[in-house]
Amino acid sequence: AQTVTQSQPEMSVQEAETVTLSCTYDTSENNYYLFWYKQPPSRQMILVIRQEAYKQQNATENRFSVNFQKAAKSFSLKISDSQLGDTAMYFCAFMIRRRNNDMRFGAGTRLTVKP
Amino acid sequence: SQTIHQWPATLVQPVGSPLSLECTVEGTSNPNLYWYRQAAGRGLQLLFYSVGIGQISSEVPQNLSASRPQDRQFILSSKKLLLSDSGFYLCAWSARTGGGKLFFGSGTQLSVL
Repeated sequence: AQTVTQSQPEMSVQEAETVTLSCTYDTSENNYYLFWYKQPPSRQMILVIRQEAYKQQNATENRFSVNFQKAAKSFSLKISDSQLGDTAMYFCAFMIRRRNNDMRFGAGTRLTVKP
Repeated sequence: SQTIHQWPATLVQPVGSPLSLECTVEGTSNPNLYWYRQAAGRGLQLLFYSVGIGQISSEVPQNLSASRPQDRQFILSSKKLLLSDSGFYLCAWSARTGGGKLFFGSGTQLSVL
């Protein structure tokens, strides 16, 4: 069974600083996708970044980047130059490529950016 | 561009009453459609998914059912709500060749009293 673990229920960071959110997953599959989703207070789920497991290069989207360690089954999210609007719940998610109906989510990390 | 609409935003229903939540997608054809539930302060649990009209797969046994009467319409229903059905319900869609990306609706907060 595929599982996603986020070990940090809550984190905080000062505005303009950098923060890293952790995620580990467990799977026997070799071909899959990993995602980070953001859920602000509005509760709208927003895709932040996606990583394809067969790509060694870490994905980046502006201030957001990941550290994908396939052997360690680790997928952390780094937010640089944190902004107040980054305050949200962040969910790590995993999907086996051949089963695109089954996205598994972690329990989430609540990030607060302090002014 | 593609958009997803979900309504209502909030709903308060008595125990034993029926439920119907609707979700529609615009700007795409033949999407995969999903219903998720999010318990307070927790992650998302997949309830149903659909790969086509009339094709529904259920992930967990429960008091809920789903239907897909049209290509871009997905409905979550219950004949008799339970207290445990309370939660935040999210509809989502993905393209068949979208690389797994899910796009979510704005959600429905359901309170069963």
